[in-house]
Amino acid sequence: EVQLVESGGVLMHPGGSLRLSCVASGFTFSGKTLNWVRQAPGKGLEWVSSISGSSTTIYIADSVRGRFTVSRDNGKNSLYLQMNSLRVEDSAVYYCARGDYGMDVWGQGTTVTVS
Amino acid sequence: QSVLTQPPSVSGAPGQRLTISCTGSSSNIGAHYDVHWYQQFPGTAPKLLIYGNNNRPSGVPGRFSGSKSDTSASLAITGLQAEDEAIYYCQSYDNSLSGYVFGTGTKVTVL
Repeated sequence: EVQLVESGGVLMHPGGSLRLSCVASGFTFSGKTLNWVRQAPGKGLEWVSSISGSSTTIYIADSVRGRFTVSRDNGKNSLYLQMNSLRVEDSAVYYCARGDYGMDVWGQGTTVTVS
Repeated sequence: QSVLTQPPSVSGAPGQRLTISCTGSSSNIGAHYDVHWYQQFPGTAPKLLIYGNNNRPSGVPGRFSGSKSDTSASLAITGLQAEDEAIYYCQSYDNSLSGYVFGTGTKVTVL
C-alpha cells in the first residue's frame, strides 16, 4: 500500500525549533518529488516546500524562506522539514504529499502548535 | 494570501450541476501551468480529484470534470450527490513566486 506517515508535531513556544518527518512506503521513494503543505486551523491549504527525488531542485514558500529547510534521505524513505524561529502563525496541520503534477498521495498530517 | 481565487461557497440540490471557478493570473494559470483539483472532508487530508486540468485519477467518479481557459479554471460536478459535500481547492504553479499555489477553497453544500 502506498503510504505517507508524518510525525514530529508538538506544542512549541515562539522562537523554537522543530523537525518534522514523513516516512514513505509502497513506492519508489527516490523517484518522486515530495511536498510539505500546511493548513492552519479553519483555513485553507498553503504550500510550504517541495524537493525533487534527487534533492537537486528545492522550492520553498516566501512565508517560511530563511526559517524552514526541506531535506530527504532516500536510503530511509524519509522526508524532513526543519523549522526554526517558529512563529504563532506557523501553527497548522502539516501534510507531506507526493508528486509534482498533482499531489496524488497525502499523509494524515501532524499538528504543530506555536503558542 | 492565495493568488488563486475561488468563491467561498456554492450550493445545489441533488442531481444538479455545479461549477467552481478558480481565477489566477498571467504568472500561473495564464502562463500555461496546469491546474489540479482536490477534495477535502473535515478532519481529513485532501484527495486529488483532477490533475492536468481535466484528468481523473483512478477511482474518481466521472461526474467530476475540469477545464481551463486563459487565466482561469473550473471544476464541474454533474449529478450532485450528498457525499460531494466538502471543500474543494484548485492548485497550480506560479513562476513569479517560484512555487506551487493553492486556491482559497470552495465549500460545496448539497441542499
